[in-house]
Amino acid sequence: EDQVTQSPEALRLQEGESSSLNCSYTVSGLRGLFWYRQDPGKGPEFLFTLYSAGEEKEKERLKATLTKKESFLHITAPKPEDSATYLCAVQAGTGANSKLTFGKGITLSVRP
Amino acid sequence: DAGVTQSPTHLIKTRGQQVTLRCSPISGHKSVSWYQQVLGQGPQFIFQYYEKEERGRGNFPDRFSARQFPNYSSELNVNALLLGDSALYLCASSLFVGVGNSPLHFGNGTRLTVT
Repeated sequence: EDQVTQSPEALRLQEGESSSLNCSYTVSGLRGLFWYRQDPGKGPEFLFTLYSAGEEKEKERLKATLTKKESFLHITAPKPEDSATYLCAVQAGTGANSKLTFGKGITLSVRP
Repeated sequence: DAGVTQSPTHLIKTRGQQVTLRCSPISGHKSVSWYQQVLGQGPQFIFQYYEKEERGRGNFPDRFSARQFPNYSSELNVNALLLGDSALYLCASSLFVGVGNSPLHFGNGTRLTVT
């Protein structure tokens, strides 16, 4: 069974204090690893897809990286508006569907 | 461009009742998926439909059913509601199914409360 574990559960940062969020996964045949951002009362917002170990993607202050066992979401010089829950999900196997298996998410709070 | 739209946004039902949730995908997207998100947890896969055919089903009881219409919109039905069905129900759409470069785009969900 596919498993996704995110750590830490919650992270509090001072504005400008860079850090990383971790996503460890166990899957059979990774087809893609996805990062989403979710604000309270909203649906997840797509950020990145990573397909193979060594791949990196960047968007503004966010950078996602992928190894064979985990992914990191690096946040450089965060701002209060980066406060949200960050979800990691994997798509795996050979089935004819796009089922995503999500982790529990990491709640990030950035203080001004 | 309009994103994924879901209705209603909030719903309160009593145990044993039935509920229907609705979803309209992004224009041009042919696949719709449904997820359940309990407070403090990540979304959990319920169903995926593509071109009106069921392409995947998660580990949910038969009380949960869904369908996709010719215009690609979708409905999720839940019968005999239990207190544990209280959750945020998310609909997501994608261009294709089964490929990683067609990410899911989510709506803002329907908050279902069962009393």
